[in-house]
Amino acid sequence: GAVVSQHPSRVICKSGTSVKIECRSLDFQATTMFWYRQFPKQSLMLMATSNEGSKATYEQGVEKDKFLINHASLTLSTLTVTSAHPEDSSFYICSARDPAPLGTQERRYYNEQFFGPGTRLTVL
Amino acid sequence: AQSVTQLDSQVPVFEEAPVELRCNYSSSVSVYLFWYVQYPNQGLQLLLKYLSGSTLVKGINGFEAEFNKSQTSFHLRKPSVHISDTAEYFCAVTRQGFQKLVFGTGTRLLVSP
Repeated sequence: GAVVSQHPSRVICKSGTSVKIECRSLDFQATTMFWYRQFPKQSLMLMATSNEGSKATYEQGVEKDKFLINHASLTLSTLTVTSAHPEDSSFYICSARDPAPLGTQERRYYNEQFFGPGTRLTVL
Repeated sequence: AQSVTQLDSQVPVFEEAPVELRCNYSSSVSVYLFWYVQYPNQGLQLLLKYLSGSTLVKGINGFEAEFNKSQTSFHLRKPSVHISDTAEYFCAVTRQGFQKLVFGTGTRLLVSP
């Protein structure tokens, strides 16, 4: 299956600093990537949809100026948490969607999102 | 809009026993359904998915799920669980055309010897 990586896997920072998290699709090109946030023992909440070459679409209630998303290439999306505070501490997970067209041998991936391993952010 | 309900937050079971994790969805349009597994401090791994066709879907690690349109359910089953199946399981739904996944709140499967 397709592989998605995230870096770093774990980060600890001081309150007020900014943190950048990278999400890469390693063996396919992803025109669409998704960023999720997961609080302890809770489900994944979609934060934003990132489309290559255009502005991200944020979900209601997500501050776009605080969570900056850049999708500059077909294999890389970044999430920057600006001026982080302790309440931003969470597990951040990205996913990438393989846009293989119907009718090709890659069709089995068409409706699938491939998830990264997640990044644990702790803000002190 | 779509929504997913996982009624059981935690399911304890003994090793080699069968298990069923329940998932009900709500949608006014046709949907695709998924089950994911998450091990501690890791991302999500797809267990199985229903897109169309046979309502009984077989996935990895011996899991299967049955799509029941009349009951709007997509319950996950395994006839004999292992200790290594201990993890968090998420049911998810998206409407056909595929963009956003909507996740349930998750069910923690605890397998003990």
